[in-house]
Amino acid sequence: AQSVSQHNHHVILSEAASLELGCNYSYGGTVNLFWYVQYPGQHLQLLLKYFSGDPLVKGIKGFEAEFIKSKFSFNLRKPSVQWSDTAEYFCAVNELDMRFGAGTRLTVKP
Amino acid sequence: DTEVTQTPKHLVMGMTNKKSLKCEQHMGHRAMYWYKQKAKKPPELMFVYSYEKLSINESVPSRFSPECPNSSLLNLHLHALQPEDSALYLCASSQERAGAAFFGQGTRLTVV
Repeated sequence: AQSVSQHNHHVILSEAASLELGCNYSYGGTVNLFWYVQYPGQHLQLLLKYFSGDPLVKGIKGFEAEFIKSKFSFNLRKPSVQWSDTAEYFCAVNELDMRFGAGTRLTVKP
Repeated sequence: DTEVTQTPKHLVMGMTNKKSLKCEQHMGHRAMYWYKQKAKKPPELMFVYSYEKLSINESVPSRFSPECPNSSLLNLHLHALQPEDSALYLCASSQERAGAAFFGQGTRLTVV
């Protein structure tokens, strides 16, 4: 069965710092990969997705992620974070049904 | 704004009550989901409907009973819940299974 692991439980950054959140998945077949964000008190929002093609995918709000098949990884990146990026970030894998990693809480200090 | 609408937003119920959570989407999606999310935890899959048929029941206790009356609606019937069932219940939909899922705002359920 597919599973997802996120390396960082809580990340604290200052504004303008660069961000990279790790995500690894266990399933070796074809999977669809996603990053979701959950701002405090709000619903889950899709940041970006990877189905196939260019392994570097760009999402909303300046986020991007790179799919590295050999490493079973799908890390999320942003060159310069803002205070408003403070949120919980979930990596997810969907072979047939969406399964989430444990989440990474990002705190951006102004 | 989310295109998946859940009602009610908040619900407090006693352990002997019967209540229902409702979810609606008008994006023409054929897969719909119920997830349970506890504080500071990821969403956990409960049920999956694909083309209005129950595809997955993740060993959820029978006090949770899903229903899919049509392709746009998904209900979750609740009966004799326990305090540990208090959580945020999320509905989601996707074009097909394995697609990108769009989530509703959730129903914050408290069992007293």
